[in-house]
Amino acid sequence: DPKIIQKPKYLVAVTGSEKILICEQYLGHNAMYWYRQSAKKPLEFMFSYSYQKLMDNQTASSRFQPQSSKKNHLDLQITALKPDDSATYFCASSPSTGGTEVFFGKGTRLTVV
Amino acid sequence: GMPVEQNPPALSLYEGADSGLRCNFSTTMKSVQWFQQNHRGRLITLFYLAQGTKENGRLKSTFNSKERYSTLHIKDAQLEDSGTYFCASLQGGRALIFGTGTTVSVSP
Repeated sequence: DPKIIQKPKYLVAVTGSEKILICEQYLGHNAMYWYRQSAKKPLEFMFSYSYQKLMDNQTASSRFQPQSSKKNHLDLQITALKPDDSATYFCASSPSTGGTEVFFGKGTRLTVV
Repeated sequence: GMPVEQNPPALSLYEGADSGLRCNFSTTMKSVQWFQQNHRGRLITLFYLAQGTKENGRLKSTFNSKERYSTLHIKDAQLEDSGTYFCASLQGGRALIFGTGTTVSVSP
């Protein structure tokens, strides 16, 4: 029974369009994260949120915008999609942002054509 | 250099063999996590360590914060152990930073 739910599992988008990747966690965690993985490379940290507030942003492009409507939600809006945005996006959560185990969702595989 | 480096980059094993992977940190880290990523891209958590050693079946991991390294030992390798293994550690106390990965191939 997955505790971190990511939707959709697969997503195909047209260049220039906008998509929202959904993430919900049912672990009661206060911190949530987004990571990106391109072509079996290491996961790259994108954002971290704690109590629905942005803590760290390592994403250079403003086309990527996290949205936290509830404590256990952290969606990722991506605008003006480009083929280079094709990757698997992993959502993760942890009890807090410092020194605790981080749990990962199954990922959303995005393909931009 | 990279904050988290892994070696070797790739490892080929025969079934039944034992081998080890290493993760080196450029600075002192509070904890380490080890993951296996299978051929479907699924990320499976193997270990979380704040110190010392943990074992789970044929896998064993050690974390030495002072010496800035962690190891993952695979004993009696099986075909299902194939995949890419990542270590990851907190940088700046907030974000989990992933290592470069070790691709393990186990053959009969």
